[in-house]
Amino acid sequence: GAVVSQHPSRVICKSGTSVKIECRSLDFQATTMFWYRQFPKQSLMLMATSNEGSKATYEQGVEKDKFLINHASLTLSTLTVTSAHPEDSSFYICSAIQGWGNEQFFGPGTRLTVL
Amino acid sequence: AQSVTQLGSHVSVSEGALVLLRCNYSSSVPPYLFWYVQYPNQGLQLLLKYTSAATLVKGINGFEAEFKKSETSFHLTKPSAHMRDAAEYFCAVSDEEDSSASKIIFGSGTRLSIRP
Repeated sequence: GAVVSQHPSRVICKSGTSVKIECRSLDFQATTMFWYRQFPKQSLMLMATSNEGSKATYEQGVEKDKFLINHASLTLSTLTVTSAHPEDSSFYICSAIQGWGNEQFFGPGTRLTVL
Repeated sequence: AQSVTQLGSHVSVSEGALVLLRCNYSSSVPPYLFWYVQYPNQGLQLLLKYTSAATLVKGINGFEAEFKKSETSFHLTKPSAHMRDAAEYFCAVSDEEDSSASKIIFGSGTRLSIRP
């Protein structure tokens, strides 16, 4: 099956710093990537939908200036958490699809801890 | 807005026993429905997907789910639980504004524990 990777798998940073998380589709071209946030013992909440070469579409309540998403190529999308605060600590998961209407393939997730 | 409700945040069964994880959906249009499994510190893996072709859907790892429109349910079952089935299970529904079902909404999840 299709493989999606995320880097890093775990990151700890100080409050006020920025953190970049990468999502890569390893064996297919992803026209669309999704970014989710998952708090402990809770479900995945969609943050934004990212299409290659265009601006991301953010869900209601998600600050686009805080969570910067770039989808510069068909195999890479990045999520940058700017000026991170402890409340941003969470498990961030990306998924990718090869064309709208196809199955989402999920990355293994990135655990962010902000001190 | 469409949503899914998973009854029971935690289900515990004995190894070899029947697994039943409950999911009810609300949608104003015929939905696509999904079950995903998440092992600790990992992403999600698709177990099965309902797309209106057949009401009984068979998935991977011996799981299946039945779509019951009259009950607005899509419960996940497995006849005999294995220790390796211990994980978090998410029911999900397609966004009704997206007929292609690429955008999906997740339920709150059910943690399945297996007793030896």
